Order: sequence, then structure tokens, then C-alpha cells
Amino acid sequence: DTAVSQTPKYLVTQMGNDKSIKCEQNLGHDTMYWYKQDSKKFLKIMFSYNNKELIINETVPNRFSPKSPDKAHLNLHINSLELGDSAVYFCASSQDLEGSGANVLTFGAGSRLTVL
Amino acid sequence: AQSVTQPDIHITVSEGASLELRCNYSYGATPYLFWYVQSPGQGLQLLLKYFSGDTLVQGIKGFEAEFKRSQSSFNLRKPSVHWSDAAEYFCAVGRMYSGGGADGLTFGKGTHLIIQP
Repeated sequence: DTAVSQTPKYLVTQMGNDKSIKCEQNLGHDTMYWYKQDSKKFLKIMFSYNNKELIINETVPNRFSPKSPDKAHLNLHINSLELGDSAVYFCASSQDLEGSGANVLTFGAGSRLTVL
Repeated sequence: AQSVTQPDIHITVSEGASLELRCNYSYGATPYLFWYVQSPGQGLQLLLKYFSGDTLVQGIKGFEAEFKRSQSSFNLRKPSVHWSDAAEYFCAVGRMYSGGGADGLTFGKGTHLIIQP
């Protein structure tokens, strides 16, 4: 069983379209994240959710909207796609250890988004 | 705010040779430090982590890392690399959000490891 699974793995779409990426974790973790990896491999956090509550929104355009229907799922919806949105998007989860930074993230395999 | 610097963008090592990947961090308190590896087209896999205690930590695939507080470093080492070690390596430090809880990781920009036959 895959611990953190993302769908789709590849997504090719036109500018201006709206698309979603889904993520599910079966680890029973409290916190889930979206990271963006650009063409230079730089990983930057976009959002984190703890028990369905948004914790962090890191200077991400409001065209990006995360949705967490339950603790095991965190989906990413992107409106009006732009060329610069082309990247690999990684979902991750971790067990919240309150009051520390000692949480180990488990990553999904990534979703490669190409905007034409 | 915390930050992580990986000064080497690319490193080329001969198969069987030793390896050291550098990582420096900036963080106001005791850091929680991690190394992840990303093989081509894959997600990130945890190699090892440092939370406290022994400053030399062992990880998977024969990797180890040493935490040196005086140098703000957490360098990754392997005594003898294999062709399968070719990948992107990321150093990371644990984040804290303003509410006081843990909140993911801040990553360095990665080091691309090339293995020569």
C-alpha cells in the first residue's frame, strides 16, 4: 500500500484552464502539505493543513486553493493556470509533534504539471 | 526565519570513492535536521534525521551525517558510493509556525550527485 498517493502523476493542460491534484495518505498523520518543486529542483512549501485546518499559506497566489475534506485527504485546485505554474507538486504528510520541529515528512511521488 | 544552504549544486564522484555533501543551516534554536534523496522522477525519501543526542547519525543505504553546532553544519557522508546513489540530495531543517507547532520543512536547493564509472 502506498503511504502517500497523488493523482494524477502527469497533467498537461492549456493556459487558463482549471485543474485539481488529489492527495491521500493512509498513515494516520495529522498534518498534510503541498510543496512546489520548480525546474531548478527547488522545493518550496505552499500550504500545510493540520486536522483539516489551514496552518500555513506561503505567499501563494489565490488561484491556488487547497481543500481538506478529512484528515487523510488534501487536494489542490488551481484556477486560471499560467505558464509559470508548470512544476512538480508534491504532497506530504507528517505526525504532528506539538511544540517541536521534529516531524518527519513522508512524500508522495509527485504530480508533474505542464501548462502549454 | 530558518534557512538551509547547500553550497554545491553539482558533485561528481567516481564509483567506489567516498562522498561528502555539505549543508549549513541558520536557525535560532536547536535545529531538527534531515537529509532526503530524490531519484529521477521519484518523490523524496528520508535518508536520516537528527533530533538530539549523538551528533553522528546513521541512515539508510550506508549514509551518515554529523551535526556540528559550532559550524552550523550537517554534512552527509558515505564511505563508498555506488552508481545507484546518483540522485538529488536535499538537506532540510524543521520549521515552526507562529502558533508554536511543527510545520514541515525548509529545504536547501539540493545537490545533484553524478557517479562516474
